[in-house]
Amino acid sequence: GENVEQHPSTLSVQEGDSAVIKCTYSDSASNYFPWYKQELGKRPQLIIDIRSNVGEKKDQRIAVTLNKTAKHFSLHITETQPEDSAVYFCAAANTGFQKLVFGTGTRLLVSP
Amino acid sequence: DAGITQSPRYKITETGRQVTLMCHQTWSHSYMFWYRQDLGHGLRLIYYSAAADITDKGEVPDGYVVSRSKTENFPLTLESATRSQTSVYFCASSEGTIYEQYFGPGTRLTVT
Repeated sequence: GENVEQHPSTLSVQEGDSAVIKCTYSDSASNYFPWYKQELGKRPQLIIDIRSNVGEKKDQRIAVTLNKTAKHFSLHITETQPEDSAVYFCAAANTGFQKLVFGTGTRLLVSP
Repeated sequence: DAGITQSPRYKITETGRQVTLMCHQTWSHSYMFWYRQDLGHGLRLIYYSAAADITDKGEVPDGYVVSRSKTENFPLTLESATRSQTSVYFCASSEGTIYEQYFGPGTRLTVT
């Protein structure tokens, strides 16, 4: 089955810096890669996703890149703000597998 | 977010007791999922359902039972609670495998 590894487990940056979180997946059939943000005490919420027919997707300060050959994808946050502090989860899925497989999460701390 | 609810939000029970966590969604999503979240383990899938009367095991199903007689409801039962089942439980729903999952607010369960 699919296995998703996520790094780093914690990431501390200064406000205004960029943050990058990386994930690798094992199943070459996976074709959907979402990123979820979970603030302290809250539910996970989707912030951006990418499908395998696209190499990069941007939404304001957030971008995701996908390298299908290397089987890895990354979340990029530019101009970080304190409200970006949260745990971020990557995940992978394919139609045949019927479920998302999550990475173990990255705790991002943005210091003012 | 108001479309998926969980009850109770907090529960304390004793070892050996049966506990049922409820999940209800109003979107008529086909897929529903149960996850548990523990420090250091991220989100681990317990059971999922692709449609009413169709359920399947996830990564950590032992000690749990699910049913789905109606599309909108997906209860999770701990048949004989153990301390290792102390966790935060999230229910989620989606239109399909490769679509956004919407998470409920979570149930914090403590087994004493």
